Amino acid sequence: DTGVSQNPRHKITKRGQNVTFRCDPISEHNRLYWYRQTLGQGPEFLTYFQNEAQLEKSRLLSDRFSAERPKGSFSTLEIQRTEQGDSAMYLCASSLVDGESSYNEQFFGPGTRLTVL
Amino acid sequence: AQKITQTQPGMFVQEKEAVTLDCTYDTSDQSYGLFWYKQPSSGEMIFLIYQGSYDEQNATEGRYSLNFQKARKSANLVISASQLGDSAMYFCAMRDYNYGQNFVFGPGTRLSVLP
Repeated sequence: DTGVSQNPRHKITKRGQNVTFRCDPISEHNRLYWYRQTLGQGPEFLTYFQNEAQLEKSRLLSDRFSAERPKGSFSTLEIQRTEQGDSAMYLCASSLVDGESSYNEQFFGPGTRLTVL
Repeated sequence: AQKITQTQPGMFVQEKEAVTLDCTYDTSDQSYGLFWYKQPSSGEMIFLIYQGSYDEQNATEGRYSLNFQKARKSANLVISASQLGDSAMYFCAMRDYNYGQNFVFGPGTRLSVLP
């Protein structure tokens, strides 16, 4: 197991273009999370999946953002009609949750840094 | 609403000394978890330590310990015997079970370990 992986690591795009990021979680993990982190800030929650179901979305996730986890394994995050304000690090994390408890260690990937010109 | 406050944007510590990074949180729930993550310049978030709201003992993991004061809603991270490799951003985070499954992160503290 090599941990959470994200591709690409860096993406530069022009305003108005669409971009898609991929996250491969740790194989046995049932939960997958997307976060956005801007310079000098902590990560901000965007959305999460329990297996293939998207169970929660932040208000930060505008209509231009869509995330999928079609087979409950890898996930994609697409941003349509990118804006300069979308420039950030997009972090993916996964966890194995068995039952409900407050302990839910999330393992993070290296992130995809998006720059919108 | 949940909120994490880290009042120290930057901290310096001499190598081999101990340092405390502050974290206060705001929640109305009784069941929650507190986490500390380290983010080196490479960008990856590394889990350090966890404290549950019902845990009576302060959490410890190697050189990391968490000074949990529930009544004051603080969860300070103590790093003992600092090493040069400890230089990084440190984030305090909370998972409040009643507010869903996501983490709320603080703004972070940049720790610089001086030789």
